[in-house]
Amino acid sequence: ELKVEQNPLFLSMQEGKNYTIYCNYSTTSDRLYWYRQDPGKSLESLFVLLSNGAVKQEGRLMASLDTKARLSTLHITAAVHDLSATYFCAVDQGGSEKLVFGKGTKLTVNP
Amino acid sequence: GAVVSQHPSRVICKSGTSVKIECRSLDFQATTMFWYRQFPKQSLMLMATSNEGSKATYEQGVEKDKFLINHASLTLSTLTVTSAHPEDSSFYICSAAQPGRTTGELFFGEGSRLTVL
Repeated sequence: ELKVEQNPLFLSMQEGKNYTIYCNYSTTSDRLYWYRQDPGKSLESLFVLLSNGAVKQEGRLMASLDTKARLSTLHITAAVHDLSATYFCAVDQGGSEKLVFGKGTKLTVNP
Repeated sequence: GAVVSQHPSRVICKSGTSVKIECRSLDFQATTMFWYRQFPKQSLMLMATSNEGSKATYEQGVEKDKFLINHASLTLSTLTVTSAHPEDSSFYICSAAQPGRTTGELFFGEGSRLTVL
């Protein structure tokens, strides 16, 4: 059974600081997703990582995937208040498009 | 880009009634759609896989008679919560993948918040 663990679950940081969210998963998968969710809203797709060593960047966010370690990271650079949201990683179950989600990381960026 | 749309976005109903939620792929055909459920301050849990022209596949622990799924066309899947009770109150989100798209991106609907009184 595929399990996905995120940490930390809660993250409070100051504007301008850097931090990393970690996503570990238990079985082999070559497809990992990062999503953002604002309160009361659905999921906004941030990154799709399809292969070992994949690195993608968009603005202050950068995601990477190490399939051998079964680890993905979401790095936040020079955080701003607008990044406050809950971030989920999700792993595809054997290419089925069925996703198993981590518990989410609630990020609060303080001015 | 591809868009998945859900309706209604919010619904309030009385206990014992049934509620139907629609999930549409707006500019592509989706032979498979997925239904997720999210309780407040929790993560998303896959409920079922909706297959066009055939029966849905339910995840372990999900009552198929409680959550009826119909995928009658390549652009529409519906989830009907039958005889709803307060514990069915949740945020229901559907997703779909555009066939042939190599980016691997999965598209999520806006979600439907169900409140059962």
